[in-house]
Formats: sequence, C-alpha cells, structure tokens
Amino acid sequence: QKEVEQNSGPLSVPEGAIASLNCTYSDRGSQSFFWYRQYSGKSPELIMFIYSNGDKEDGRFTAQLNKASQYVSLLIRDSQPSDSATYLCAVLYNQGGKLIFGQGTELSVKP
Amino acid sequence: GAVVSQHPSWVICKSGTSVKIECRSLDFQATTMFWYRQFPKQSLMLMATSNEGSKATYEQGVEKDKFLINHASLTLSTLTVTSAHPEDSSFYICSARVPGLAGGFRSYEQYFGPGTRLTVT
Repeated sequence: QKEVEQNSGPLSVPEGAIASLNCTYSDRGSQSFFWYRQYSGKSPELIMFIYSNGDKEDGRFTAQLNKASQYVSLLIRDSQPSDSATYLCAVLYNQGGKLIFGQGTELSVKP
Repeated sequence: GAVVSQHPSWVICKSGTSVKIECRSLDFQATTMFWYRQFPKQSLMLMATSNEGSKATYEQGVEKDKFLINHASLTLSTLTVTSAHPEDSSFYICSARVPGLAGGFRSYEQYFGPGTRLTVT
C-alpha cells in the first residue's frame, strides 16, 4: 500500500523563524512530489513540486528531496503569520497519475 | 496559472435527495480530473479518477452507484451524490491535472477547485 507520512503537528514557530515540514513515503518508485498549502475551510493550493534529488527554491520556500531516504521536506524561511495553515505533502502514484496525500502538518506562526 | 472552478460552493439538501456538483477547468483542457472528499481535520481522500469520454475509476470502498461521475467534455466533470444521507456531509473537492510544461510524465501538477461543502439534513 502506498503511504505518505507527515507529522500532524501542530508545529508552532515564531514569526521570522524557519519552519521545517517533513514527509516520508513508502513507494521507492515515486518520481514526483508536491507540497500544497490549505487554509481552514479552503481547498489546497500548490506551493511547489520537486522531482530531482536536492533542493529547489522558490521565494521563501525550499523543497528538499532525498530519494534514497524516501524523504521530502519543505522549508519556509522568514515565516509569517499568514503562513499559518495545514501543509500537505503529496506523492504522484504513477498508475493513473493519482496523488497520494499525507495527513498534513498544521503550522502556526506566532507574531 | 491553471484555474479550476466548482459549483455550487455550498449546498444543503434533505436526506434522500440527489445533489450535482460541477467542476470546470477554465483556461485549459483537462482530460483527467479527480474527485476528493475531506472530513474535518482529515486529509484528502481520493474518491475517483474521471477521464473524459470514458467511465470513471473509483477507489476501493467508494460506491460507484452512489457517487455518479460524468466527464462529458474536456472542461467539465460532474459528481452526483445520489440518495444523500447525513454521513455524506463533507467537503468535496475536484482537481484537474495539467501535464507539466517541463515535459513528460514526472511533472503532472494538479490544481484544485475551491471545493463544495455539502450538508445533508
């Protein structure tokens, strides 16, 4: 069974700090990985995707992928209260292009 | 960016009635759309994969006769909850897959609609 695991949190960080969100996955053959942000009562919005080992940076966000360890993370630099949301890690399941979602990590950025 | 709309954004219906939810891709053609359900404080649960011009593929445990999916065009998929019951009350979200401009299979991104909150009384 394909699984994606995240710490449910909540993860609390002070404003301006770096928030680190982690995700592990079970399917070694997975190729593409996605981070979504979901505000309460809203649908998920795509932050970024990564499919090569290493780091990928986009503004204050950095995704890190280590396929050998089956681990993907999201770093948020200079965290803002507006970053407070649930962050969902998703892994592309090659059969039919389905995304398998983790349970999400709730992030709270305190002013 | 890719825009996906849903209608209605919320609906209240009586037990035993049917409700139709529409999902549209506004600025691109989506051969594949996905339907999810999300209960409070839980993650997204994939219900089915909707392919234009063919039957939907349902996930294990999802009743295909209760959750009817039709993907009649490249921009529209519909989910009909038949004979709704209070336990069907949930947040229903569709997404559309956009083949990545970077090329190839690896960068298939999914963009989500705003969701439909269904309450069955």
